[in-house]
Formats: sequence, structure tokens, C-alpha cells
Amino acid sequence: ILNVEQSPQSLHVQEGDSTNFTCSFPSSNFYALHWYRWETAKSPEALFVMTLNGDEKKKGRISATLNTKEGYSYLYIKGSQPEDSATYLCALTGTYNFNKFYFGSGTKLNVKP
Amino acid sequence: NAGVTQTPKFQVLKTGQSMTLQCAQDMNHNSMYWYRQDPGMGLRLIYYSASEGTTDKGEVPNGYNVSRLNKREFSLRLESAAPSQTSVYFCASSVRGFQDEQFFGPGTRLTVL
Repeated sequence: ILNVEQSPQSLHVQEGDSTNFTCSFPSSNFYALHWYRWETAKSPEALFVMTLNGDEKKKGRISATLNTKEGYSYLYIKGSQPEDSATYLCALTGTYNFNKFYFGSGTKLNVKP
Repeated sequence: NAGVTQTPKFQVLKTGQSMTLQCAQDMNHNSMYWYRQDPGMGLRLIYYSASEGTTDKGEVPNGYNVSRLNKREFSLRLESAAPSQTSVYFCASSVRGFQDEQFFGPGTRLTVL
């Protein structure tokens, strides 16, 4: 079992604030990391797939970085909007079985207008 | 394209009853997954199928069986339902596996009394 930890558990910000959260994982057993956005009453939707140390990905106001040597990934949201309110999940696969995904418990973001 | 579809959307079972959750995708994806989601926890992988004709256990396979019927369909069977299997079940698919984003179905909410 791969231990994937996300922090903080929840976050409340004002519209326009920039924010970031963390996904931590065992650096010795990494193959790929996925970020997903999960709105209430919907299904998770993919944001990024990251496989290389130093990867940086961007989609609009959302970006992510990956450090496999120290075992973390950051997700940044610039200028948060109410529609960014969702739970953000990261998922990891390891070198021993790269098709077996382990999800963190998520960071729940609430953006107040 | 319908994407990933799941049936049924809701189900109530009595302890000991059996049922099959159906999942189908029309995106010609090779890999398919079954997850369960419980309060306070992230998604946990039950079983996955990396390609047609293969299935493997995930993190929480006990009490479940799967069938990859063909490339499109991946079903999850509960042989003798238990209250601990009360959960929301999500099916997902991806083109090749770890290096590709997963597309999720709408979920099945199962209650076992």
C-alpha cells in the first residue's frame, strides 16, 4: 500500500486569493501522479498527469509541480473563483505495480464570493 | 459519446443478497477500474483491468469479483453483500493506464441493510 497524504484537509479562501495545497508520497516508490478535481454531486475530472521529476503543468489558473526526490507535488490556484470550489484529489502509482492507483483523501476548497 | 456509464445509479440490498454493478465505456480505452468512496476517505481501488482479458486486485478486493466482458464492459459483483460494502462505487477508464488520465462514470450509490 502506498501512503498518499494531502494537506490541508480543507481550505476556505476569499474570491481572488491565490492558494496552494500539497500531496506527499514515498519518494522511493513513484511512477506517476495524477491530480483530479471533484465537484459535489459530480464525478472526478482529471487536471494533470505527471511522471517526471521537475514536471510543471498548467491549465488556465491552475498549475502543479512535482518533486519525486523529496516526495511531494504542489497544486496552485491563482486568483481563486467560486467555481473553483471542489475537492482536489491526488493519486499515485508506484514502481512495483504501475497500474495500481492510490488516492489521497483530498483537499476540500471553498471559495467565498 | 456517452463516456463512462454505470448502472444502476442507486441500489438498496439486504445483507447476503448479491448484485452486479455494470460499467461500460465507448472511448476505446484499454484500462478500466472500480473504486469505492467512503466518507472521509479518498477513492480506494477495488479491482482493475489493464487490458481486455486481464484483471487484478486493487487495495480492497475482498468481497468482490470482476469480469472484463470485452473491451467496453467491466462489471463488479458482490456475491453476498455486507453492510460494510455500503458505499459509492465509481468505474473509470483510461487509454493505456498510469500515464493517461482516468475518466470516471457517474457512480452507483449502494446501501446494504
